[in-house]
Amino acid sequence: EADIYQTPRYLVIGTGKKITLECSQTMGHDKMYWYQQDPGMELHLIHYSYGVNSTEKGDLSSESTVSRIRTEHFPLTLESARPSHTSQYLCASESDTQYFGPGTRLTVL
Amino acid sequence: DQQVKQNSPSLSVQEGRISILNCDYTNSMFDYFLWYKKYPAEGPTFLISISSIKDKNEDGRFTVFLNKSAKHLSLHIVPSQPGDSAVYFCAASGVGSQGNLIFGKGTKLSVKP
Repeated sequence: EADIYQTPRYLVIGTGKKITLECSQTMGHDKMYWYQQDPGMELHLIHYSYGVNSTEKGDLSSESTVSRIRTEHFPLTLESARPSHTSQYLCASESDTQYFGPGTRLTVL
Repeated sequence: DQQVKQNSPSLSVQEGRISILNCDYTNSMFDYFLWYKKYPAEGPTFLISISSIKDKNEDGRFTVFLNKSAKHLSLHIVPSQPGDSAVYFCAASGVGSQGNLIFGKGTKLSVKP
């Protein structure tokens, strides 16, 4: 099982602020993912990476951006947060299957 | 258009009885299916998976059945325990999704003592 870390766990922030959600894993997995999930809804893939310097957009359009400079680190950035960005953001990494971090619950006021 | 459907938002079962969670999919190119369990304020935890070359996979109290002709899979939990109370997500992947997971909306299972 992978050790996936996400910080912060909870974030309440005002409209227009720039935020970065951190995700790191210690297992050396090449594949990493970001999902967005609203209550009662499915997880939607918003970004993924198959290795360093590789990033792709997922099925759900998102105003966020990601970077993959190091294998273990896959941060997600919102340049200007809006209330519509309020959601839970889940990071995962993959060896034989996808293992998830605890998530970040983001609230934009 | 949802490719993975969990039509029951919730399910309530008595402790000790069997819980059956259902999932339907529409994309015949999916060849790998997974179940995840999620507690509130936590990330999903991998539970069990099945490849399309099989029709059954068992792990302790958890068994997943796959019916490819019906594009249907189910998760059986027996006996159910109060600690099984959580939201269960069905997910699928394959050529049609470029290997990425497509999730259903989840079924909230409540196991009553």
